Amino acid sequence: EPEVTQTPSHQVTQMGQEVILRCVPISNHLYFYWYRQILGQKVEFLVSFYNNEISEKSEIFDDQFSVERPDGSNFTLKIRSTKLEDSAMYFCASGGGPPHTQYFGPGTRLTVL
Amino acid sequence: DQQVKQNSPSLSVQEGRISILNCDYTNSMFDYFLWYKKYPAEGPTFLISISSIKDKNEDGRFTVFLNKSAKHLSLHIVPSQPGDSAVYFCAASASRSSNYKLTFGKGTLLTVNP
Repeated sequence: EPEVTQTPSHQVTQMGQEVILRCVPISNHLYFYWYRQILGQKVEFLVSFYNNEISEKSEIFDDQFSVERPDGSNFTLKIRSTKLEDSAMYFCASGGGPPHTQYFGPGTRLTVL
Repeated sequence: DQQVKQNSPSLSVQEGRISILNCDYTNSMFDYFLWYKKYPAEGPTFLISISSIKDKNEDGRFTVFLNKSAKHLSLHIVPSQPGDSAVYFCAASASRSSNYKLTFGKGTLLTVNP
């Protein structure tokens, strides 16, 4: 069964450093998303990506964040200068179209020290 | 801004009995609802969904009921099994939105006791 994969599973970084989180969505999906979950809080939307461009971003997704689909398979989230409050689980999700069920990857745990 | 609310943080049931997890929403634009199951340190796993044109959807032991007038949905698990113990998230999206982003509730921790 096709699944969304994410690497790395755990990333530890120093405050101010750049990190890139990688995702391989399900191959025939067209809609791609990043969500995050801070410990003890709910899963929250960061950004959606369709047709090679951002279709919506949340207030959290400021200028420090960017997304890219550099080739036909990968989807990346870059945080340019990490802050302590960026520590969270980051989930990639993909969807194939109506009715728009989204399938999630296992997540990357980002720890900013 | 809690557009999707799961008011019970936890629920404990006996194996073999019914588990009922509840979810309320406030945004009238939501027209597609999903339930996800999540184990610690894993991603949410899709369980079952329902469109607003229906009031019930069933898949094996899982049934989701939607009451649009009350803006309420529930997930029934019958019979409950110990392996069902996990956090269950209700999520909603609006098809008129071009991106179909999901808005999640805070989750309910279900514990099924043998």
